[in-house]
Amino acid sequence: GEDVEQSLFLSVREGDSSVINCTYTDSSSTYLYWYKQEPGAGLQLLTYIFSNMDMKQDQRLTVLLNKKDKHLSLRIADTQTGDSAIYFCAESINNNDMRFGAGTRLTVKP
Amino acid sequence: NAGVMQNPRHLVRRRGQEARLRCSPMKGHSHVYWYRQLPEEGLKFMVYLQKENIIDESGMPKERFSAEFPKEGPSILRIQQVVRGDSAAYFCASSQTENQPQHFGDGTRLSIL
Repeated sequence: GEDVEQSLFLSVREGDSSVINCTYTDSSSTYLYWYKQEPGAGLQLLTYIFSNMDMKQDQRLTVLLNKKDKHLSLRIADTQTGDSAIYFCAESINNNDMRFGAGTRLTVKP
Repeated sequence: NAGVMQNPRHLVRRRGQEARLRCSPMKGHSHVYWYRQLPEEGLKFMVYLQKENIIDESGMPKERFSAEFPKEGPSILRIQQVVRGDSAAYFCASSQTENQPQHFGDGTRLSIL
């Protein structure tokens, strides 16, 4: 397809793991990103992965990349209420052509 | 904090007026990008600039929209004769080089009355 696709909503309980999935469009994408957007704020770069990597871990965040299926996921361990936000997946071919998904709205229930 | 600075945070204009949105990139960054976000949607690329040059404007509407990044001062996104459909959040991002991650400002929320 032409669009970066994400599910729109995810709800988890505090302390559980969250997994946000994304399907991107271009097999030649060099970088894949996860951004977090809190209400009324801009996008905060959470993490990114080079296309020659399968996995990247950064504290509570784990990114998995399946190039064959063009599938990217973000796992947040021990999800907290402060993690409630919209999470955007983005792909970059030359870094001046970034395509974003519509965002996944994560709600964390106490 | 030397992050990407955008101003104003909120801008209200009447139909037919001009809107000017400003973006100062992070210190040391010479690559600037503008995006538009409609409600409940992701970001759509508009334009990519380096100092005094427009590198890629493939996402810019053909009319009424222009962008610049002068040698001195912030990058400006200019919308002439605004219409209701221009209401959106406009985000600026900057990067150090072409192959570095983009860092975003907090956006300008433009409302057209």
